[in-house]
Amino acid sequence: NAGVTQTPKFQVLKTGQSMTLQCAQDMNHNSMYWYRQDPGMGLRLIYYSASEGTTDKGEVPNGYNVSRLNKREFSLRLESAAPSQTSVYFCASSEQPHSNQPQHFGDGTRLSIL
Amino acid sequence: QQQVKQSPQSLIVQKGGISIINCAYENTAFDYFPWYQQFPGKGPALLIAIRPDVSEKKEGRFTISFNKSAKQFSLHIMDSQPGDSATYFCAGYNDYKLSFGAGTTVTVRA
Repeated sequence: NAGVTQTPKFQVLKTGQSMTLQCAQDMNHNSMYWYRQDPGMGLRLIYYSASEGTTDKGEVPNGYNVSRLNKREFSLRLESAAPSQTSVYFCASSEQPHSNQPQHFGDGTRLSIL
Repeated sequence: QQQVKQSPQSLIVQKGGISIINCAYENTAFDYFPWYQQFPGKGPALLIAIRPDVSEKKEGRFTISFNKSAKQFSLHIMDSQPGDSATYFCAGYNDYKLSFGAGTTVTVRA
């Protein structure tokens, strides 16, 4: 059982380039999330999808777009990458968007923007 | 502006000792407080969680203490083991969203 799978695991971009981070879950979860993790900042929510067909902004959405392609897949797109977007990106999923539903995380995508 | 403040940033404890991590929050709408454990190169994983109407929750060597009036909660790791060496994040949940603390890196020396 793979859980939450993120691709790629590592990526280096130049400023201004675009890129899509992919995320897929095989747990039949309804809700999916994108976070970024920076030293001393913990994890900050970028966007989330409470259910298939819906997406909403989180704490730090500027410079990002998302697509809930189907129930399994939730992608994060950087249209014009900036050095400030250098971070580790985590995708997560939960059965329902409710407090008592644990979020299951992938192993992250390490993104460097030069 | 982080809604959950976590301390210390890092701590070192001897094998068998007690690790204590503290968190404070401002948002009284939080209705669920989970702790996540993260090993290097991996994503966080849920460790233990508590609701604000409960003052303490224990699961094995891990205990959450919760003080609603002070808006503080803490994680105690009893009999710390080298395998507990990881980064720990506290969080508060409200309106479909988790707000995480900055994290505490725990190192357990054998």
